[in-house]
Amino acid sequence: EIVLTQSPAILSLSPGERATLSCRASQSIRSYLAWYQQKPGQAPRLLIYDASNRATGIPARFSGSGSGTDFTLTISSLEPEDFAVYFCHQRFNWPLTFGGGTEVEIK
Amino acid sequence: EVQLVESGGGLVQPGGSLRLSCAASGFTFKSYWMTWVRQAPGKGLEWVANIKHDGSEKYYVDSLKGRFTISRDNAENSVYLQMNSLRAEDTAVYYCARGGTAAAGPFDYWGQGTLVTVSS
Repeated sequence: EIVLTQSPAILSLSPGERATLSCRASQSIRSYLAWYQQKPGQAPRLLIYDASNRATGIPARFSGSGSGTDFTLTISSLEPEDFAVYFCHQRFNWPLTFGGGTEVEIK
Repeated sequence: EVQLVESGGGLVQPGGSLRLSCAASGFTFKSYWMTWVRQAPGKGLEWVANIKHDGSEKYYVDSLKGRFTISRDNAENSVYLQMNSLRAEDTAVYYCARGGTAAAGPFDYWGQGTLVTVSS
């Protein structure tokens, strides 16, 4: 099973700041990584797929990078609606797995 | 507009069974992989199972094999999750999500989820 480790667990930032979230895979997953955003009481929303492709309707302030085992989600300038939990997810191998999540909270 | 609507959740006793349903609309259902993902209260996301367009391939998280069964009815635009021998640790919100056409993921549309509570 491929383990995805996200860091940090909690990221405390202010609106307008840049957020950098990390996801590390226990083995190479090439570029088969996605990022999801989840707000309380809501279903997850796809942000980024295949490491660096923005999903439909996702603002340009969200970007993804990386390949192999190390991946990054960057939010260039945090908007109030961006404070949420973010999960990474790999579809390279069965079983599909998710990371434990990073909460981006208001400082 | 793509819509996924789950139903069938509720309170069940340990050892009991439930069948979750997910009704899809707004896209060509028979062309997509479908998945179930769950989230225990206050916890992260856990992938549960995937099923290919025509039902010919099914994949499960190892810990649930033998207790949970995913199926689909392309004529009814629906995907199902049969859950047997339920345990307290199966308590979670269960989400249905759409996968890809050529691959199992990513999951680009999600339902709002249905809560399953396993308790006596």
